[in-house]
Amino acid sequence: QSVLTQPLSASGTPGQTVTIPCSGSSSNIGSNFVYWYQQFPGTAPKLLIYKNNQWPSGIPDRFSGSKSGTSASLAISGLRSEDEADYHCAAWDDGLSGVVFGGGTKLTVL
Amino acid sequence: QVQLQESGPGLVEPSETLSLTCTVSGYSISSDFYWGWVRQPPGKGLEWIASIYESGRNYYNPSLDSRVTISVDTSKNQFSLKMTSVTATDTAIYYCARHLYSEPLDYWGQGALVTVSS
Repeated sequence: QSVLTQPLSASGTPGQTVTIPCSGSSSNIGSNFVYWYQQFPGTAPKLLIYKNNQWPSGIPDRFSGSKSGTSASLAISGLRSEDEADYHCAAWDDGLSGVVFGGGTKLTVL
Repeated sequence: QVQLQESGPGLVEPSETLSLTCTVSGYSISSDFYWGWVRQPPGKGLEWIASIYESGRNYYNPSLDSRVTISVDTSKNQFSLKMTSVTATDTAIYYCARHLYSEPLDYWGQGALVTVSS
């Protein structure tokens, strides 16, 4: 049972915009930054978005993050087949004094 | 470029102790970052285990606190994880990673699969 809540799956067609939500509470998303990771099978998670809406070097702006209250979301515009992967949200939790994750969302490009 | 590399036995017997080391290159472990461990059971999500600062200040996931010890060796630019009394449910890919205090992880190692089995 993950502390942050994400849908198990999401899907879209090439060129579409897909949004993946991440729900938390006042002790994590509500008071701290949200990070997003992309993970392909057999590989380590890769940082996609940090500090809610910032891009690490090399990440295209087709990926964007937003946060409102105790929820956050990742939007992927101009969907491509190579975007098919698992996406995880994460935040620091003040009560836990540690990092909490969502369960991960498997994105399928139809 | 920061690089992290996990090392340790890939197979551990039930009730024994799991030991992993993370070697950091391209960045001094004696910096303003925390260094942590995250695991991912096969086909499941990510779980934070513990984090440590170069001073030795550490944080543990309460669900694993009683079995886990994290330590740092600044002379070798390494940090380590020990988990006692392992069971099959501890079978997972174990990642080491870096993060700022009160923020999630940015740089990750490639991961090390640890299987608990006799």
